[in-house]
Amino acid sequence: NAGVTQTPKFQVLKTGQSMTLQCAQDMNHEYMSWYRQDPGMGLRLIHYSVGAGITDQGEVPNGYNVSRSTTEDFPLRLLSAAPSQTSVYFCASRPTGARGQYFGPGTRLTVT
Amino acid sequence: DAKTTQPPSMDCAEGRAANLPCNHSTISGNEYVYWYRQIHSQGPQYIIHGLKNNETNEMASLIITEDRKSSTLILPHATLRDTAVYYCIVALNYGNKLVFGAGTILRVKS
Repeated sequence: NAGVTQTPKFQVLKTGQSMTLQCAQDMNHEYMSWYRQDPGMGLRLIHYSVGAGITDQGEVPNGYNVSRSTTEDFPLRLLSAAPSQTSVYFCASRPTGARGQYFGPGTRLTVT
Repeated sequence: DAKTTQPPSMDCAEGRAANLPCNHSTISGNEYVYWYRQIHSQGPQYIIHGLKNNETNEMASLIITEDRKSSTLILPHATLRDTAVYYCIVALNYGNKLVFGAGTILRVKS
């Protein structure tokens, strides 16, 4: 298993640009989530999904969209990037019935 | 979800046990205690979780007080690779919505 993979590893955007951060897992996990981590702080939940076709908001959802058309993929879309969205983004997944999440390596996003 | 309080940092000698405390005095009856750690800039790593009984796995032990208002994560023989930020989190529903605080920076020294 490749585990949880995230692409790209690094990205620089200009204010107002849009982009999609990719997250995929090959472990057939039903639950997937997106977190952001600002410098020196803990992670904050953006959106999560408990299965294909089901998504819900986390603590900081504004400015982000998600969809879950397959079990494997959970892309995060930035609609109009702002400097406040400069952060490290982590995707995670969890198997049904388990309580520990597996986190990906992260995407470092800078918005200028 | 209930909040947790952890010391900002701790030091531990290599080979000794590292005991990381966490206070969660407002925890509700159906909330679990989770521990994750984050090494340097990597994604967090799940360590262990518990409800009210003490738990042990290949990575660590979790001791929860009888009133469930606090817990301690024990790394029995800390190594330099255990240097990381350790997060104590209380959460419902299999941890679908984890709330990470600032955590404890554990420095293991040789």
